[in-house]
Amino acid sequence: DAKTTQPNSMESNEEEPVHLPCNHSTISGTDYIHWYRQLPSQGPEYVIHGLTSNVNNRMASLAIAEDRKSSTLILHRATLRDAAVYYCILVQTGANNLFFGTGTRLTVIP
Amino acid sequence: NAGVTQTPKFQVLKTGQSMTLQCAQDMNHEYMSWYRQDPGMGLRLIHYSVGAGITDQGEVPNGYNVSRSTTEDFPLRLLSAAPSQTSVYFCASSQASGRDNEKLFFGSGTQLSVL
Repeated sequence: DAKTTQPNSMESNEEEPVHLPCNHSTISGTDYIHWYRQLPSQGPEYVIHGLTSNVNNRMASLAIAEDRKSSTLILHRATLRDAAVYYCILVQTGANNLFFGTGTRLTVIP
Repeated sequence: NAGVTQTPKFQVLKTGQSMTLQCAQDMNHEYMSWYRQDPGMGLRLIHYSVGAGITDQGEVPNGYNVSRSTTEDFPLRLLSAAPSQTSVYFCASSQASGRDNEKLFFGSGTQLSVL
């Protein structure tokens, strides 16, 4: 499975935008880019996913580089509830198994 | 709307004891899986199932057994617990195929300590 690289940790001030980067230089043409987050003492929860085009939903936006070798998860206004570990995961088309890295721990400063 | 329910939330075992971690989902999902998460680590896949009667191994299957007799339930069995199995265990489910099949729903976890 193709690997992803994320910074270990990031900080953001409350109510400011947050850009969480992910590098995936060995991505294949059939890999979707998924983002999950894990709040303290909880199971992971799905955030967003995309293939080639940028994606928006109520939680976040996903910006995918034209060559697909990197992507950025955008939280438009960070809240204290957004403090979590964010995982960028590549998932083959039709696959269900997720292979997690260590993710980025986001700290939101009041 | 219960989603994925795991029981128990906490469990302490002695080395060599056996136990079963329960997982149930009410979304009629075909795919179910078990992960373990050690401190400071990401989740690792133990076993998974794409439907009743079908199971397969993930990354770290040793020491664990599973079965899938119904769509709703996917229990994880530790036959002889070892301290190395001290971890937090998460169950997940999703549709097996079709649109958004890769979108997994996770339970809230079972924290297991083996002394």
